[in-house]
Amino acid sequence: AQSVTQLGSHVSVSEGALVLLRCNYSSSVPPYLFWYVQYPNQGLQLLLKYTSAATLVKGINGFEAEFKKSETSFHLTKPSAHMSDAAEYFCAVSPSGGYNKLIFGAGTRLAVHP
Amino acid sequence: DADVTQTPRNRITKTGKRIMLECSQTKGHDRMYWYRQDPGLGLRLIYYSFDVKDINKGEISDGYSVSRQAQAKFSLSLESAIPNQTALYFCATSGAGLAQETQYFGPGTRLLVL
Repeated sequence: AQSVTQLGSHVSVSEGALVLLRCNYSSSVPPYLFWYVQYPNQGLQLLLKYTSAATLVKGINGFEAEFKKSETSFHLTKPSAHMSDAAEYFCAVSPSGGYNKLIFGAGTRLAVHP
Repeated sequence: DADVTQTPRNRITKTGKRIMLECSQTKGHDRMYWYRQDPGLGLRLIYYSFDVKDINKGEISDGYSVSRQAQAKFSLSLESAIPNQTALYFCATSGAGLAQETQYFGPGTRLLVL
């Protein structure tokens, strides 16, 4: 069975500081991994995804994530937080070889303060 | 105009009532999905449809039913609403349905069952 664990339901950073949101996955087959962002009162929007092409994936708005098979991790980072990054972030896994059925983590709410 | 729309955006209903949430998409996608989001639980799949004639149960289908009226329309019904169905409901679509495909989400319907 596949599962996703996001460490920290709430993360708070200062504007300009490093953003690190943690995601660990469990999958019996090679996974595809996704990060989605949800801004207040909006649906989810894809930030980036790993589909086995390159382990370091760059996404929109300056975010990137690195797939580390040995650590079963796919942590999301951004070098310098901006106030507009305040949102909820979801990590999701989709097992390769199957249909597109996303399994989501519980989410991490990011707060950015001046 | 938004690619994936949901109606209504907010709904308050009473226990035992039947309600329908509607989703429409203009992306031309074959695959459509219904999720519910609960705080601390992330998103969980209720039903998904790979085409008009193919509907499948997701992780938490009990108490829900769906109808795929056309390629572009996918409705979710609560036959007899109960308070623990209070949640934020999202519709999503994807193209080929392969595991690495991006899902595109609607803005959500916030449902309160009294």
